[in-house]
Amino acid sequence: DAKTTQPPSMDCAEGRAANLPCNHSTISGNEYVYWYRQIHSQGPQYIIHGLKNNETNEMASLIITEDRKSSTLILPHATLRDTAVYYCIVKLPHTGNQFYFGTGTSLTVIP
Amino acid sequence: GAVVSQHPSWVICKSGTSVKIECRSLDFQATTMFWYRQFPKQSLMLMATSNEGSKATYEQGVEKDKFLINHASLTLSTLTVTSAHPEDSSFYICSARDPLAGVSYEQYFGPGTRLTVT
Repeated sequence: DAKTTQPPSMDCAEGRAANLPCNHSTISGNEYVYWYRQIHSQGPQYIIHGLKNNETNEMASLIITEDRKSSTLILPHATLRDTAVYYCIVKLPHTGNQFYFGTGTSLTVIP
Repeated sequence: GAVVSQHPSWVICKSGTSVKIECRSLDFQATTMFWYRQFPKQSLMLMATSNEGSKATYEQGVEKDKFLINHASLTLSTLTVTSAHPEDSSFYICSARDPLAGVSYEQYFGPGTRLTVT
C-alpha cells in the first residue's frame, strides 16, 4: 500500500473551511484514498473515501487531483468539535483490508 | 454507519496478571476484525488481524504468545494481554469491516480500551 505524507498540524478558525492536504505520490491505479479522524481518546471515525472522482458527504468533501498523487479533505464550516487528528490512508480495497496509519494532521479549530 | 463496541472502556491491572478485551460488531457480522495499539501522542499501530474460525495473523514484532486473539464468532473478537507489564499500558482499539459495505471496504472502529498496568 502507498504511503502518505501529511502536515503534522494545522489551525483553522471556527466557521471557516478547513483544507487538509495529503500527498500520496506512489499511489497505484486501484488504491482508494480514505480519510479518518480521531478525537482525543476515542476510536477513529470514518469520514470519506474516494478512488478518482471528487466525493462529498454530510461530513466533508474529498478532492483528488487528476494524477491522483494528492488529495485534500475539506471541512466546509469547521466547528470546535472538528478538533482532532486526521488520517489519510491509501490502500487497495481488498488486500487483507488492513489499514496502516501514518502520523496524521492534528487540526485545531480556534474560536 | 456500522457500530463496533469494546469492553471494558478502561481497565487497571497489576503487573503479571492477564487482561481480556472484547470487541463486538453490533449490527453486522464481521469475518475479519483488527486490533491496534496506540501509545500517547503516537499513531495507531496495527497489531494483528483476527479471522473468524482461524488463527490470527500478527504483524512483525508483535508477540503472539503475549497478545492472544480469539475470534470465536462473527460478532466477537477478544484480545488477551497475558502477564501484563507496565510497558503494555496503552490504548487498544479494534476495528471491523462490514462485508456488505461495498467494494471500498471502509472499516469501523471501536471506542478503544485504556489499559493501565501498575
